[in-house]
Amino acid sequence: GDSVTQMEGPVTLSEEAFLTINCTYTATGYPSLFWYVQYPGEGLQLLLKATKADDKGSNKGFEATYRKETTSFHLEKGSVQVSDSAVYFCALSDRGGSYIPTFGRGTSLIVHP
Amino acid sequence: NAGVTQTPKFRVLKTGQSMTLLCAQDMNHEYMYWYRQDPGMGLRLIHYSVGEGTTAKGEVPDGYNVSRLKKQNFLLGLESAAPSQTSVYFCASSYSLTSADTQYFGPGTRLTVL
Repeated sequence: GDSVTQMEGPVTLSEEAFLTINCTYTATGYPSLFWYVQYPGEGLQLLLKATKADDKGSNKGFEATYRKETTSFHLEKGSVQVSDSAVYFCALSDRGGSYIPTFGRGTSLIVHP
Repeated sequence: NAGVTQTPKFRVLKTGQSMTLLCAQDMNHEYMYWYRQDPGMGLRLIHYSVGEGTTAKGEVPDGYNVSRLKKQNFLLGLESAAPSQTSVYFCASSYSLTSADTQYFGPGTRLTVL
């Protein structure tokens, strides 16, 4: 079946540091890939997505590239801010499956001033 | 446009009690979902609905029931609460069920079962 594996957290960084959160996936079909963000006390919201190989999703300074050859969708940001502290979820929705999204376990990011 | 709303925000139950969580969306979405979020487990799908009057089981449906009598509402029921159902519950909706579609989440309900 489909699955998403994210690096375990928490990831702790200083403000203006470079961020990478790794995400790899397995899918029976050809999935779309997503990153959702959950700020403290809130529900998840879409951060970015990519629907085909080599697509780059971007939003709020975050980027992720759909790498079919390595089955990865790593999240990056060049300079994090304290306000980026949140839990980040990688997810996939498989065209060869039920289309119901499969979520990773989430990675907590803590950014210190 | 309120998006997805959930009622209540917090609830404490005793073992064996029953309750209903209400999810409402004003985006005219066909698809609605109930998830539970537990530490280290990510999001797990409980039940979902592909339209008014239809529901289906997700990954962890045992101990829960759902109903979708109106398109905008999706109710999650616990008939006899157990401590293992202590969790944060999220409702979500989407316009369609294509692989590229975005899910919109409510703010969550924190449930504690004593």
